Amino acid sequence: DQQVKQNSPSLSVQEGRISILNCDYTNSMFDYFLWYKKYPAEGPTFLISISSIKDKNEDGRFTVFLNKSAKHLSLHIVPSQPGDSAVYFCAASRSGNTPLVFGKGTRLSVIA
Amino acid sequence: NAGVTQTPKFRVLKTGQSMTLLCAQDMNHEYMYWYRQDPGMGLRLIHYSVGEGTTAKGEVPDGYNVSRLKKQNFLLGLESAAPSQTSVYFCASLKQGTEQFFGPGTRLTVL
Repeated sequence: DQQVKQNSPSLSVQEGRISILNCDYTNSMFDYFLWYKKYPAEGPTFLISISSIKDKNEDGRFTVFLNKSAKHLSLHIVPSQPGDSAVYFCAASRSGNTPLVFGKGTRLSVIA
Repeated sequence: NAGVTQTPKFRVLKTGQSMTLLCAQDMNHEYMYWYRQDPGMGLRLIHYSVGEGTTAKGEVPDGYNVSRLKKQNFLLGLESAAPSQTSVYFCASLKQGTEQFFGPGTRLTVL
């Protein structure tokens, strides 16, 4: 049973517009959530995280929102740039140090 | 700092052959992980280690063994490779309170 779900395999957005990537989780014990970005032939790189005590965390063009009651988080990228084109993985863990559980990823294409 | 490095970058094996993938990190991280990434499957945890001399099974451990004899190294072994083990393998390390840092990956093909 998938504990972390990214239901959109792909997303296409025009340059300058907002990209919204969604993630749902089923395990209510998860309290730490992360987004990773992956380019082809490279390892994933950390993008942004949020703990369950917050409902929003912002870092430049990237904002993550957490809705604990809905067990849902989203990543907003504003404005989207062609260099943002990559696969984005949502991940979750309990207490930060337990192994991360990853979603299957969403491929974002930002069209110039 | 080199971060997390993986050796080799590419490898082709025949069914039944064995090999070892090496992961090394120079950040003095306690925790290390091995994942495999398959198309449409995301990243799945194979084995992990919470410190030197310790290992634990992840989601998909069958067919793999690991060892963490030194803090900076985490080895992933395939004793008898099977075509189902064709994948991209990623190693990651973590220091308590920070995010996981990933290596560049090893692309393994088993014929």
